[in-house]
Amino acid sequence: QVQLQESGPGLVEPSGTLSLTCAVSGGSISSSNWWSWVRQPPGKGLEWIGEIYHSGSTNYNPSLKSRVTMSVDKSKNQFSLRLSSVTAADTAVYYCCGLIAAAVRWFDPWGQGTLVTVSS
Amino acid sequence: DIQVTQSPSSLSASVGDRVTITCRASQSINNYLSWYQQKPGKAPKLLIYAASSLQSGVPSRFSGSGSGTDFTLTISSLQPEDFATYYCQQSYSTPLTFGRGTKVEIK
Repeated sequence: QVQLQESGPGLVEPSGTLSLTCAVSGGSISSSNWWSWVRQPPGKGLEWIGEIYHSGSTNYNPSLKSRVTMSVDKSKNQFSLRLSSVTAADTAVYYCCGLIAAAVRWFDPWGQGTLVTVSS
Repeated sequence: DIQVTQSPSSLSASVGDRVTITCRASQSINNYLSWYQQKPGKAPKLLIYAASSLQSGVPSRFSGSGSGTDFTLTISSLQPEDFATYYCQQSYSTPLTFGRGTKVEIK
């Protein structure tokens, strides 16, 4: 079955750019799924960041849209997240997910998550 | 944005208890609702999609119901491995949004 694995720096300086990659294994990134990022600040709930299709089409959460860029690399079967101008409020566990795009949409599977801390 | 409000925020229950968690959407979302279970230090796990469809591999003691604005997740007989935090999520419109979670603790 499809498995996802996040990678990237665990520490980012304030005002810098957070960059994460999600490797897809056990399936093709060019399947019918969308691919998504969800984050969870320590001790808090889940926030959808955005989604990307293998064609490159994207949808972002308006609350983050001005700072988010997502991309797909089909040759490496992976997708990526960039979040600019980060502050301490962006400290969170970042999950990459498949987003099943039927009429109803749900997140499955999930990566294990990676903690990104924004601090100097 | 569509808000999804979960209740209660936490509950204490014993093994074998029937547990019900509710999720209310700020507008009608038909059946565009999913439920997830999250254990400490782990990623969320899909339990229910389309309000009432059980994800493959999820025990049948979990069930979901509802349509429109009011939804329920029921655990028919709570097991030790069910102590966790549960989230609902709407996909009727973007941004996709989650409830704030219900923590199920051991009584």
